Amino acid sequence: NAGVTQTPKFRVLKTGQSMTLLCAQDMNHEYMYWYRQDPGMGLRLIHYSVGEGTTAKGEVPDGYNVSRLKKQNFLLGLESAAPSQTSVYFCASSYYQAGSYEQYFGPGTRLTVT
Amino acid sequence: AQTVTQSQPEMSVQEAETVTLSCTYDTSENNYYLFWYKQPPSRQMILVIRQEAYKQQNATENRFSVNFQKAAKSFSLKISDSQLGDTAMYFCAFTSTSGTYKYIFGTGTRLKVLA
Repeated sequence: NAGVTQTPKFRVLKTGQSMTLLCAQDMNHEYMYWYRQDPGMGLRLIHYSVGEGTTAKGEVPDGYNVSRLKKQNFLLGLESAAPSQTSVYFCASSYYQAGSYEQYFGPGTRLTVT
Repeated sequence: AQTVTQSQPEMSVQEAETVTLSCTYDTSENNYYLFWYKQPPSRQMILVIRQEAYKQQNATENRFSVNFQKAAKSFSLKISDSQLGDTAMYFCAFTSTSGTYKYIFGTGTRLKVLA
């Protein structure tokens, strides 16, 4: 089992460029999440999905879009990158059911927007 | 709205000593889970321990244990016999089991274990 994987691990963008971060999980989890981690701010939820074909906004959704076309994949898109989106991005997944509420995390993507 | 507060941005402990990391939370829910995650310099988030709110017994995992005080909404992590490999950022997290599907994280405590 690979668990939760993220592609790419590092990326440098110029302001205004677009990109897509891919998250994949092989644990058959229904629930998937995208977070950003900034110094002193912990993990903040960007968007999440409670199942294939569904998405919902989290705490800091502006400037990001997501899609969950397949149960195992959750894509995070930046249409027009801004320096404020420089951050480390984590994907996570969970069963979210009795006895198994913990999240499993990917290794993170460090994104720098210049 | 639920909140999670970690009031110790940084802590240090001597190798082999014991250290306690604090976490308080606020919720009106009765059923929920609390977690401690470790993030070493590799950046990978690793689950350390979990606590179910309806269980009064404090969770333990080897050298890691929690002090769960439901009435006080407190969830501290105790690390015994600290090792150099425990050096990491530690995050406290909360999720309700009522179907919100979201997790709330604290801002983290950076722990350094000194040789």
